[in-house]
Amino acid sequence: GAGVSQSPSNKVTEKGKDVELRCDPISGHTALYWYRQSLGQGLEFLIYFQGNSAPDKSGLPSDRFSAERTGGSVSTLTIQRTQQEDSAVYLCASSFGPGELFFGEGSRLTVL
Amino acid sequence: AQSVTQLDSQVPVFEEAPVELRCNYSSSVSVYLFWYVQYPNQGLQLLLKYLSGSTLVKGINGFEAEFNKSQTSFHLRKPSVHISDTAEYFCAVRPNSGGSNYKLTFGKGTLLTVNP
Repeated sequence: GAGVSQSPSNKVTEKGKDVELRCDPISGHTALYWYRQSLGQGLEFLIYFQGNSAPDKSGLPSDRFSAERTGGSVSTLTIQRTQQEDSAVYLCASSFGPGELFFGEGSRLTVL
Repeated sequence: AQSVTQLDSQVPVFEEAPVELRCNYSSSVSVYLFWYVQYPNQGLQLLLKYLSGSTLVKGINGFEAEFNKSQTSFHLRKPSVHISDTAEYFCAVRPNSGGSNYKLTFGKGTLLTVNP
């Protein structure tokens, strides 16, 4: 597609359930980022993928969070045993190398 | 490591008034600077960036920003705002070299509300 595509756009889940959020980056972009946007907290870096290099996972807040990128394209962010503090908008972005980031519209996660 | 402080969480202004959104940063290395805009229920869009050269940079929608190295600031300005400028604005920095030159660090955002 023309832009970064994220799904689902909205997800409501119960505490303790696992969720998967998907990101389809712009075709040809080698770098992919996940950020978390919480109310009044700005954007928090979660993870970075660049080509076949080992990802930078330094921003993942706990071991309940994991992400993978298959075939250098689509990425999935998985949150296990969700907690209420995980409620946020999860933004994906892609770029060609360390260039301008293009963001998707985000996946809004609500944990009840 | 880098940090970004946006001094105002909310800025209300009237239509056609000038506006300045303030941003200060802290970094032990040289950085590139960015402003992003987020309209309601949308992703972030790049407004402008400073990489090198002239410290006054112009972006889309009539916005401009000035990099001040001595004051470690990158304030965003527009001489006359429109209702359609109502959005959240994020200042961000990224190292311009080194192993972490991909990592954008964002401020907490400033909500600009333009009233008629």
